Amino acid sequence: GAVVSQHPSWVICKSGTSVKIECRSLDFQATTMFWYRQFPKQSLMLMATSNEGSKATYEQGVEKDKFLINHASLTLSTLTVTSAHPEDRSFYICSARDPDNYGYTFGSGTRLTVV
Amino acid sequence: DQQVKQNSPSLSVQEGRISILNCDYTNSMFDYFLWYKKYPAEGPTFLISISSIKDKNEDGRFTVFLNKSAKHLSLHIVPSQPGDSAVYFCAASVKYGNKLVFGAGTILRVKS
Repeated sequence: GAVVSQHPSWVICKSGTSVKIECRSLDFQATTMFWYRQFPKQSLMLMATSNEGSKATYEQGVEKDKFLINHASLTLSTLTVTSAHPEDRSFYICSARDPDNYGYTFGSGTRLTVV
Repeated sequence: DQQVKQNSPSLSVQEGRISILNCDYTNSMFDYFLWYKKYPAEGPTFLISISSIKDKNEDGRFTVFLNKSAKHLSLHIVPSQPGDSAVYFCAASVKYGNKLVFGAGTILRVKS
């Protein structure tokens, strides 16, 4: 089946610094990828839809200048959390539509801790 | 506005018995539904999906039932195994390929 690789799996950064998270589709091309965040014991909340070669579409309430998304190729989307602060601590997960079945394949997630 | 609802936060089932996880939705435009299994600190794993033109889809031990008139779907796991213990998320989209809206999840514990 399709594989989505997400890196890093966890990251600790200082408050005020930026962090980049990569999401790669390993064996298929993904024109569209999705970025979610999950707070402890809560559901996955869609942050934005990443479109290859064009601007991302952000969900209501998500600051596009805070969460920069770049989808420069058909196999790579990146999420940059700019000027991270403790309230940005969360589990970030990307996904892409799986061409082999009628599902969406998810990356393994990135745990962000801000100190 | 919670468009996809999983009203049972947790479910405990004996090994070998049936697990039934429920999901309700409010958006009548949803026409594609999926179930995912998730462990802590990992991404969700796709289990099974169903489109609105069907009312049942089966894959091994997993069966999803869709009742469009009631805006309700359920996931049946038979027989339940201890390895099935995880958080199960219901998700929906308007047309396949569009963004998914997730429910809050149900923690399933299968006791041996």
